[in-house]
Amino acid sequence: ETVMTQSPATLSVSPGERVTLSCRASQSVSINVAWYQQKPGQAPRLLIYGASNRATGIPARFSGSGSGTEFTLTISSLQSEDFATYYCQQYSHWRTFGQGTKVEVK
Amino acid sequence: QVQLQESGPGLVTPSGTLSLTCAVSGVSVTSPKYWSWVRQSPGKGLEWIGEISLSGADYNAPLKSRVTMSVDKSKNQFSLDLTSVTAADTAVYYCARGSSFNSGFPYFDSWGRGTLVIVSS
Repeated sequence: ETVMTQSPATLSVSPGERVTLSCRASQSVSINVAWYQQKPGQAPRLLIYGASNRATGIPARFSGSGSGTEFTLTISSLQSEDFATYYCQQYSHWRTFGQGTKVEVK
Repeated sequence: QVQLQESGPGLVTPSGTLSLTCAVSGVSVTSPKYWSWVRQSPGKGLEWIGEISLSGADYNAPLKSRVTMSVDKSKNQFSLDLTSVTAADTAVYYCARGSSFNSGFPYFDSWGRGTLVIVSS
């Protein structure tokens, strides 16, 4: 199984700050990585696919990068509606998710 | 605009079968997509259960012996059966649509709202 490890587990930030979330794969997954945002009581929402492609309707402040085993999700200027948990997922070797990074108010 | 909606019993007895259906609207289940199930529990996070497409079904290895997925074209829906359930199968179950880009492998671009299934006597 390809294990996806996210760091940090929790990130305390203020609105307007730049946020960088990390995800590491236990083996190369090429660029077959997606990022999701989940708020309490809601389903995950696709943000990024193919490591760096924004999904339909996703604001430009969200960007993704990386290939192989190291991936990053960046929020350029955190808005109040961005406080949530973020998950990475690989879809190269079946489908596995990271354990999530919770972005909370500082 | 694709929409997915899960339905099924919220309570299943241990050793029984968990059966869920996902009604799809806005797109045909015969389209070249991957119709998937993902579950989320506090202990294991998000876990892919499996997917079904025009090519057939694939299941997550740890669950493979207990999972069956099927598609009902006449009702535009797909289903999940999970047998021999235990308390460890208690989770929120989501149906999702998988789409592919370049690689041919799917990520999940549309999700249902999820349904909580509790395994308990």
